[in-house]
Amino acid sequence: AQSVTQPDIHITVSEGASLELRCNYSYGATPYLFWYVQSPGQGLQLLLKYFSGDTLVQGIKGFEAEFKRSQSSFNLRKPSVHWSDAAEYFCAVGAHNYGQNFVFGPGTRLSVLP
Amino acid sequence: EPEVTQTPSHQVTQMGQEVILRCVPISNHLYFYWYRQILGQKVEFLVSFYNNEISEKSEIFDDQFSVERPDGSNFTLKIRSTKLEDSAMYFCASRPDRTTLNEQYFGPGTRLTVT
Repeated sequence: AQSVTQPDIHITVSEGASLELRCNYSYGATPYLFWYVQSPGQGLQLLLKYFSGDTLVQGIKGFEAEFKRSQSSFNLRKPSVHWSDAAEYFCAVGAHNYGQNFVFGPGTRLSVLP
Repeated sequence: EPEVTQTPSHQVTQMGQEVILRCVPISNHLYFYWYRQILGQKVEFLVSFYNNEISEKSEIFDDQFSVERPDGSNFTLKIRSTKLEDSAMYFCASRPDRTTLNEQYFGPGTRLTVT
């Protein structure tokens, strides 16, 4: 069964600084990988996804993520963080069955200092 | 842009009562999901639904839970006799179809509080 870990529970960065959120997965096949963001009181918004092909994927809001099979990782990055990026970030693996139900990581809460 | 909607945004109920959480998936989507997020914990898969039947379900989705698509637009999650531990945020999601790879679109969630 697939699993996802996000080693950092809470990260604080200054506005304008770079950001990297870590995600490691366990899955027997090539994973379908996603990053979602959840602002307080809001639902889950897709930032980016990886199914196959180019291992560096671009998403919305200036985010990107790199799939590294050798490290079983799919880390999320942003070169310059904005105060509005403060939120909870979830990495997810999609199953290869028809349902493609997600297994989510525990999330990383991002705080941004002015 | 089309979106998944959920009602109510917050539901308070007493232990042992039945609750129905409602979702309207994106209109041309065919695959539907319920997830829950207990406060401070990760989002967990409950059930997926396709072609008017359950496609997959997790061990969390026991006999107390049921899902239904009563008409062409709504997708509901019923909890027959709520327990304190059912308090959580419940998210509905939908996906366009069964055969292609694509993301799930999530609704804003319903916060269920069981007292």
